[in-house]
Amino acid sequence: QQQVKQSPQSLIVQKGGISIINCAYENTAFDYFPWYQQFPGKGPALLIAIRPDVSEKKEGRFTISFNKSAKQFSLHIMDSQPGDSATYFCAASMGGGSEKLVFGKGTKLTVNP
Amino acid sequence: GAVVSQHPSWVICKSGTSVKIECRSLDFQATTMFWYRQFPKQSLMLMATSNEGSKATYEQGVEKDKFLINHASLTLSTLTVTSAHPEDSSFYICSARDLGTANEKLFFGSGTQLSVL
Repeated sequence: QQQVKQSPQSLIVQKGGISIINCAYENTAFDYFPWYQQFPGKGPALLIAIRPDVSEKKEGRFTISFNKSAKQFSLHIMDSQPGDSATYFCAASMGGGSEKLVFGKGTKLTVNP
Repeated sequence: GAVVSQHPSWVICKSGTSVKIECRSLDFQATTMFWYRQFPKQSLMLMATSNEGSKATYEQGVEKDKFLINHASLTLSTLTVTSAHPEDSSFYICSARDLGTANEKLFFGSGTQLSVL
């Protein structure tokens, strides 16, 4: 079964700290790995995404690190802010696109002031 | 960025009634839309893929006759929960892919919280 395992389930970080969320996948056919941010009562919003041909992608304070051999990828949030407090989902899909995404179980991030 | 509008944002209904949820792509055309279900503090589970002008494709374990999907135009897909029961109470989210961008641009609606009494 296609699975994406995400950890930790919850994370508490002080303002200005680095938040790190990890995901691991099993299916080597996956070739698209997005991260989504979701606030309570809202739909997920695409944060950043990566393809397996690169090992790192950075957009502002958000960085994805990708390890193809280990089948792992992670989200780093630098200089974490209280406004970053949300649930973060990693996901994966095949075929180079975003169809039929398989989601991780999510990480609830709390950034304390 | 592209916007996906989902309506209503929340609905309360009596057991046995049907509820329709709309998903609209406001500034782009979407031949494919996706419907997800999310339980509290859980991940998103894909229910079905809605295809414009053809039948929806349902994931394993999702009842086709219970969750009716119609995708009549390039900007609108609807999910109807028929004969709703309390166990159908959940957060339903739609998403759509903007054909005008790279494949990775999948936009989500704001979700519909369904409570069946």
